[in-house]
Amino acid sequence: EVQLVESGGGLVQPGGSLRLSCAASGFTFSRSWMTWVRQAPGKGLEWVANIKEDGSDKYYVDSVKGRFTISRDNAKSSLYLQMHSLRAEDTAVYYCAKGRGGDFWGQGTMVTVSS
Amino acid sequence: QTVVTQEPSLTVSPGGTVTLTCASSTGAVTSGYYPNWFQQKPGQAPRALIYSTTNKHSWTPARFSGSLLGGKAALTLSGVQPEDEAEYYCLLYYGGAQLSWVFGGGTKLTVL
Repeated sequence: EVQLVESGGGLVQPGGSLRLSCAASGFTFSRSWMTWVRQAPGKGLEWVANIKEDGSDKYYVDSVKGRFTISRDNAKSSLYLQMHSLRAEDTAVYYCAKGRGGDFWGQGTMVTVSS
Repeated sequence: QTVVTQEPSLTVSPGGTVTLTCASSTGAVTSGYYPNWFQQKPGQAPRALIYSTTNKHSWTPARFSGSLLGGKAALTLSGVQPEDEAEYYCLLYYGGAQLSWVFGGGTKLTVL
């Protein structure tokens, strides 16, 4: 059974940093693109970033370029999102998803950016 | 800034048929945009329904189908069930040097 479990969310002040993690199981992690998607409270979905199987290619939505870094550790079947210079508009539930198009999703972790 | 547009809301009767569409501000949607469709119910994570325009996941009910229609991606529900009431999102792929994926704003489907 495919499982994706996000962690690392919480309350952070504007300008702060946070690192999200996603623990994957039930599939061959090293053979899957992985994706982060976020959803602000009461709003729609926003694609944030994705990363190729071996970590060699990474892509980001314009609004997070230079502030967020996606990475992975295939030995640990884990996906990460390092977030710096956080803004109020980054407040959202962050979902980890398997594949470029997101064929399976975790339950998400909430990030709140507020003073 | 690329915008993907969906109907904000649609209403359908139980047993009826409804088509949701997904348009791109860049022009006609083709198979090269690899349209994906997702269903999200309140308080739940999204669930994938359709990938690469027409392909269903193993868990996708047969009453859901994907297509291209009039320059848009489309999701058709035939024989709608009460449990199909949900928010539906499309996702399009934009290739090139600045590769990205863009979600539509979502369609709230009411079964009434």
